[in-house]
Amino acid sequence: GENVEQHPSTLSVQEGDSAVIKCTYSDSASNYFPWYKQELGKRPQLIIDIRSNVGEKKDQRIAVTLNKTAKHFSLHITETQPEDSAVYFCAATLLTGFQKLVFGTGTRLLVSP
Amino acid sequence: DVKVTQSSRYLVKRTGEKVFLECVQDMDHENMFWYRQDPGLGLRLIYFSYDVKMKEKGDIPEGYSVSREKKERFSLILESASTNQTSMYLCASGGKRGQPQHFGDGTRLSIL
Repeated sequence: GENVEQHPSTLSVQEGDSAVIKCTYSDSASNYFPWYKQELGKRPQLIIDIRSNVGEKKDQRIAVTLNKTAKHFSLHITETQPEDSAVYFCAATLLTGFQKLVFGTGTRLLVSP
Repeated sequence: DVKVTQSSRYLVKRTGEKVFLECVQDMDHENMFWYRQDPGLGLRLIYFSYDVKMKEKGDIPEGYSVSREKKERFSLILESASTNQTSMYLCASGGKRGQPQHFGDGTRLSIL
């Protein structure tokens, strides 16, 4: 089955810096890769996703890149702000009827003013 | 906006009790999921359902069962609660045609 590894487990940056979180997956059949942000005490919320037919997707300060050959994908946050502080989870799945996501173990991002 | 509602935010039960966690979604999604979230382990899938009365085991089903009698409702059952089931439980729903999963607020369950 699918296995997703996520690094780093914690990441501290200064406000305005960029942050990069990396994930690798094992199942080459996986074709959908969402990223979730979970603020303290709140539900995980989808912030961006990418499908395997594209290599990069951007939404304002957030971007995701996908390298299918190497089986890894990354979340890039530019011009970080304190409100970006949260735990970020990557996930992977094959987009069939079930859409059974396999999650990484999470990255705690701390943005200091 | 998708709404996934879990019946309790916090729950305290005793070992050996039968515990029910309820989840309701309002988007007519076919797929519903129960996850367990523990520090350093991420979200691990307990069970999921792709239709009424249909269920599939996830990665950690031992000690749990589920029920889906109606499309909008998915229940997680701890048959005989144990202290190692103290955790945060998250319900999610998602459609079949590439729609992303949306999560509820979670239930923090403590087994004493």
